[in-house]
Amino acid sequence: AQSVTQPDIHITVSEGASLELRCNYSYGATPYLFWYVQSPGQGLQLLLKYFSGDTLVQGIKGFEAEFKRSQSSFNLRQPSVHWSDAAEYFCAVARGAHKLVFGQGTKLTINP
Amino acid sequence: DSGVTQTPKHLITATGQRVTLRCSPRSGDLSVYWYQQSLDQGLQFLIQYYNGEERAKGNILERFSAQQFPDLHSELNLSSLELGDSALYFCASSQSGTSGHNEQFFGPGTRLTVL
Repeated sequence: AQSVTQPDIHITVSEGASLELRCNYSYGATPYLFWYVQSPGQGLQLLLKYFSGDTLVQGIKGFEAEFKRSQSSFNLRQPSVHWSDAAEYFCAVARGAHKLVFGQGTKLTINP
Repeated sequence: DSGVTQTPKHLITATGQRVTLRCSPRSGDLSVYWYQQSLDQGLQFLIQYYNGEERAKGNILERFSAQQFPDLHSELNLSSLELGDSALYFCASSQSGTSGHNEQFFGPGTRLTVL
């Protein structure tokens, strides 16, 4: 069965610093990969997605992610975090068209 | 705003009761998905409907059921509620239910508290 691992439960960075959130997946076929963000009390917003092609994908709010098949990873990066980026981030893999399998989430705290 | 609406926003009820959660997908989306988010289980897929028919099932309890109506809105019915059913329930929708290129858009969720 496919699975998604986000090794970091909680990360704290200073405003303006760079950020990398890790995501590893286990899936037998070509994965469809997503990063979602959940602000407190809110639903899930799609940041970016990878289906095929260029392994570096750009998303909203200046986020990007790189798909590395050899490492089974899809890490999310932000070159300069803003206080409004404080939220919980979820990596997910799609199994066909049916369901998303989510990682445990990484909670991001921003120091002013 | 994703375009997916869910009602009610909050629901407080007692053990043994039955509740219905409602979801309206984005205009034009044929698939509706239900997910449960709890502290111990994280985000778990429950069930998917596509154009009125059940398409996939996940970790959904027998006490839970869902349906999708001709106007494509969906309802998730939770019965014989237990304390452990307290969670945030998300609905998501997508254009297709048959393709891997399947971006899901999430509603704001319904927070269920069982006392």
